[in-house]
Amino acid sequence: DVKVTQSSRYLVKRTGEKVFLECVQDMDHENMFWYRQDPGLGLRLIYFSYDVKMKEKGDIPEGYSVSREKKERFSLILESASTNQTSMYLCASRSGTARQKLFFGSGTQLSVL
Amino acid sequence: DQQVKQNSPSLSVQEGRISILNCDYTNSMFDYFLWYKKYPAEGPTFLISISSIKDKNEDGRFTVFLNKSAKHLSLHIVPSQPGDSAVYFCAARGTGANNLFFGTGTRLTVIP
Repeated sequence: DVKVTQSSRYLVKRTGEKVFLECVQDMDHENMFWYRQDPGLGLRLIYFSYDVKMKEKGDIPEGYSVSREKKERFSLILESASTNQTSMYLCASRSGTARQKLFFGSGTQLSVL
Repeated sequence: DQQVKQNSPSLSVQEGRISILNCDYTNSMFDYFLWYKKYPAEGPTFLISISSIKDKNEDGRFTVFLNKSAKHLSLHIVPSQPGDSAVYFCAARGTGANNLFFGTGTRLTVIP
């Protein structure tokens, strides 16, 4: 079974802090994604990566950046955290050949105070 | 703008009865649809999918129906079990796109 691991289950940060959310997958998937989940808004794509060092903006990239230095690891960076970035963050991965079957991590609940 | 909509935020059903979860979409270019289930403190897990060339796909107790003319899909769970209690998200993909568009989710509660 595919395992997508997010480094933290809960995080509390202060406004203006730089925040790193880490995600690791163990199935050699080419594609990795970062979503945020908010009540009433569903899952919205922040960034995705289809290969090492490659990235594409999703629907809501503002205030975020990403890093993919190794195939198994995809990091989401909040350069200067703000209260409106308080959310559940979900990492997902997918094989390049699979038809959109995403495998998700358990999520990181980030609170920015 | 929400391209995939789940207008019912919650649904309660008695154990053994049918659960019907609905999803509407606006983009006629979507060619593939999926349902994901999410338990608290876990990530969403894939449940069932359907291509736009079909109108029905069945997997055990779960059946997804697609009505392209109405831009509507539904997930039927028969019979419903307490373990089905979760949030269900529908998602859609555009042709050639990398991205999935997710609905806002419906919380299903199956009452024993």
